[in-house]
Amino acid sequence: KAGVTQTPRYLIKTRGQQVTLSCSPISGHRSVSWYQQTPGQGLQFLFEYFSETQRNKGNFPGRFSGRQFSNSRSEMNVSTLELGDSALYLCASSLVGQTRQAFFGQGTRLTVV
Amino acid sequence: SQQGEEDPQALSIQEGENATMNCSYKTSINNLQWYRQNSGRGLVHLILIRSNEREKHSGRLRVTLDTSKKSSSLLITASRAADTASYFCATRETSGSRLTFGEGTQLTVNP
Repeated sequence: KAGVTQTPRYLIKTRGQQVTLSCSPISGHRSVSWYQQTPGQGLQFLFEYFSETQRNKGNFPGRFSGRQFSNSRSEMNVSTLELGDSALYLCASSLVGQTRQAFFGQGTRLTVV
Repeated sequence: SQQGEEDPQALSIQEGENATMNCSYKTSINNLQWYRQNSGRGLVHLILIRSNEREKHSGRLRVTLDTSKKSSSLLITASRAADTASYFCATRETSGSRLTFGEGTQLTVNP
C-alpha cells in the first residue's frame, strides 16, 4: 500500500507570492490533516478535512486555507507569503474512528525569501 | 500551542544502552502516539497507546501511559546508531480530531 505522498518536496518562493501544496493520502483514508513544523513553534495543527469538509482548524491566519477533493486528495494554499511561513509542512492521513492512527508524508519544505 | 512537554530535550547515549523519554500532557485524551523524525523529514509512526491501556510493547519499544499523572514514557532498549532521531509524543483529545505534539526529544546514539 502506497504511503502518504506530498508534492513538491521542496519549494522556494518570494515574499508576497502564494503557494499550493498537495497531499495524496493512503488509499481508503478519508481524513487528511495538515501540520506546520518550525524550529521555534514546533509542530502545529493547521486544519483537518474529511469528506471534502473542513472539520477542524488550528490557530493560523486566513492566509492559510485548504480543500479536499472527492478522491480524498488535499491541497493547502498559503497566500501573501511571509518570511515566517518558511517551514516543513506535513500532511497526515488516517481512517475515521476512535483509534485514528495518523500516517505522515515526507513533507514539503517551503522556504520564503 | 503545544500541549505536551517532553523530557529530556536532548539525550546522548552509547550503542547498546537504553533510552527513556518522557512526555506530559494537559487534557483528557483518547490516545497517545509516539513518532520518530529523522533530520527534518516526515514523521514515522512508532506506537499508539489508548487511554485505557497502561503499557504496550513493539519490538525494542516499550510505552507506558499514566492517565492519572497525564504522562507517558517511551523506552528504547538496546539502542543502535540508526535510532538517532527526534522523538515526539502526540495526543489525540477525547473531544477533538487534531494531534497535539510535544516539543520532542533529540536522541543521539553514539557508535
